[in-house]
Amino acid sequence: AQSVTQPDIHITVSEGASLELRCNYSYGATPYLFWYVQSPGQGLQLLLKYFSGDTLVQGIKGFEAEFKRSQSSFNLRKPSVHWSDAAEYFCAVGAREYGNKLVFGAGTILRVKS
Amino acid sequence: GAGVSQSPSNKVTEKGKDVELRCDPISGHTALYWYRQSLGQGLEFLIYFQGNSAPDKSGLPSDRFSAERTGGSVSTLTIQRTQQEDSAVYLCASSLGLVDTQYFGPGTRLTVL
Repeated sequence: AQSVTQPDIHITVSEGASLELRCNYSYGATPYLFWYVQSPGQGLQLLLKYFSGDTLVQGIKGFEAEFKRSQSSFNLRKPSVHWSDAAEYFCAVGAREYGNKLVFGAGTILRVKS
Repeated sequence: GAGVSQSPSNKVTEKGKDVELRCDPISGHTALYWYRQSLGQGLEFLIYFQGNSAPDKSGLPSDRFSAERTGGSVSTLTIQRTQQEDSAVYLCASSLGLVDTQYFGPGTRLTVL
């Protein structure tokens, strides 16, 4: 069965510090991957996506992620966190073979210390 | 342009009542998805529609749940005889094609008393 693991439920970083949110997946098909962000009471906003090609992808708000097929990972990074980045982050995986149904990780709540 | 919209934003109902949740996808998007977000289960796929093809209902948790998409645009998710465990945020998403980025609406928060 397809699964997505976000090992960290909560992460706290200081403003200006670097950030890495982990995402591992188990999939029986060639995946494509997303990171979404959700602020309280809001829907999901797309940060970035990977379908094919360059494994390092750039997204909005200064985020980037690297697809590592050998490690089944798609970790999200940001070099310098801003207080406005505090939110919940979801990694999601889909595949054509599964009809584009997204499987989501449990989410990581990011807290930013000033 | 306009994003995915959902109505109502909040719905409180009594156990046993039926509810209808509405989704307006982005204009021109052929694929539409419903997901459910709850504290215990996280984000779960419910159903998707792609063009004129038969919908994939594989994620619907019980036969109390159904959805339709009229005219290839607006979709309605119906929950019959609601139960307390149906309390969740119901999210709708649309994408240009089947294998494409899904854009999400703000969700409908359903509370079953």
